[in-house]
Amino acid sequence: GIQVEQSPPDLILQEGANSTLRCNFSDSVNNLQWFHQNPWGQLINLFYIPSGTKQNGRLSATTVATERYSLLYISSSQTTDSGVYFCAVALSGSARQLTFGSGTQLTVLP
Amino acid sequence: EAQVTQNPRYLITVTGKKLTVTCSQNMNHEYMSWYRQDPGLGLRQIYYSMNVEVTDKGDVPEGYKVSRKEKRNFPLILESPSPNQTSLYFCASSGRWQETQYFGPGTRLLVL
Repeated sequence: GIQVEQSPPDLILQEGANSTLRCNFSDSVNNLQWFHQNPWGQLINLFYIPSGTKQNGRLSATTVATERYSLLYISSSQTTDSGVYFCAVALSGSARQLTFGSGTQLTVLP
Repeated sequence: EAQVTQNPRYLITVTGKKLTVTCSQNMNHEYMSWYRQDPGLGLRQIYYSMNVEVTDKGDVPEGYKVSRKEKRNFPLILESPSPNQTSLYFCASSGRWQETQYFGPGTRLLVL
């Protein structure tokens, strides 16, 4: 199956700092999403981005499908950004399964 | 309010006692899915459904059943639960396959 690697596994920032999270995948995909799991366990969708660039407030994401990676940018971090960030992908083709990466644990210190 | 709901939120049961975790969405979504989350193993897909009466296996379907008789509901059935099914379960839905998925609040299951 498809391999999904996220880096870094852990990241600690001071409030106000910027960060870049990376998601590498091993094959062509037709679905790529970023999610945030907050400290209470809730999973919140951030972006559906199989290709191109999107922005939503302080967050933006870029996927370069031909090079098999996606980046999530967080600017001016806030303590509420803490949690785990997951990317999830699906192989191009008929299957409709999402495979999740192992996540990046982000801690934003006040 | 647009949402995905799951019930129960917490459940303690014993090995072999059949249980059902319900999932319902009010967004008229076609695609629905079940995941389990385990420490060290991350989130893994159990089953998914492209629409009513259309379901398919994910990565870890063993020991689970699903049905999709109505568009809004996608229950997860454990016919004979075992301790290795102790986990945090999430239901999710999206309008169509290639759209953002929205997750329910999760169901924490403990099988003794």
